[in-house]
Amino acid sequence: DSGVTQTPKHLITATGQRVTLRCSPRSGDLSVYWYQQSLDQGLQFLIQYYNGEERAKGNILERFSAQQFPDLHSELNLSSLELGDSALYFCASSARDRGGEKLFFGSGTQLSVL
Amino acid sequence: DQQVKQNSPSLSVQEGRISILNCDYTNSMFDYFLWYKKYPAEGPTFLISISSIKDKNEDGRFTVFLNKSAKHLSLHIVPSQPGDSAVYFCAASALGGSQGNLIFGKGTKLSVKP
Repeated sequence: DSGVTQTPKHLITATGQRVTLRCSPRSGDLSVYWYQQSLDQGLQFLIQYYNGEERAKGNILERFSAQQFPDLHSELNLSSLELGDSALYFCASSARDRGGEKLFFGSGTQLSVL
Repeated sequence: DQQVKQNSPSLSVQEGRISILNCDYTNSMFDYFLWYKKYPAEGPTFLISISSIKDKNEDGRFTVFLNKSAKHLSLHIVPSQPGDSAVYFCAASALGGSQGNLIFGKGTKLSVKP
């Protein structure tokens, strides 16, 4: 158990709809990262938040948005969903040691857009 | 354009033998490299990392080798065990590992046969 909690585990919806994915980082971790894993693709970095502020942005579509709340949990909002948005969405929080920064991933939310 | 490439989608090895997973990168700014392991229905978990100031890092049965001139790294697992069967992701970052927005390869599925 990584200590990162993601809900829901599975989500089935229709094209054009809007969904919200939720993530609670490990206790004490201030950063939250969102990644997307599509079929035959590696993990694509979407966005990072640190203590409520957006820190870095990756390949995130304009239809997608995220936020981090004062209690440090984060939500990823996906709107106007398309078939191609079907993927596994991972949230991660990070810890830094002498070797650098390491990500701790949740078990993911499997999104199916029908 | 993929900055981190894992050209072998799959690898099959006999139990007790060595598993060698390869990874190539194109961005010369990368200075911190990690390997993550992923079982089905779970999020990726950190396995081992290496900074660009080193060319080898060892942790038990796992050793990562870095060849900066060739922009190549490899993960050696010796001896391989059936429990090592998983998807292995290579990841890289710049700026001394201070960025958590790691760039991941597409993964290599390792199967260790008893």
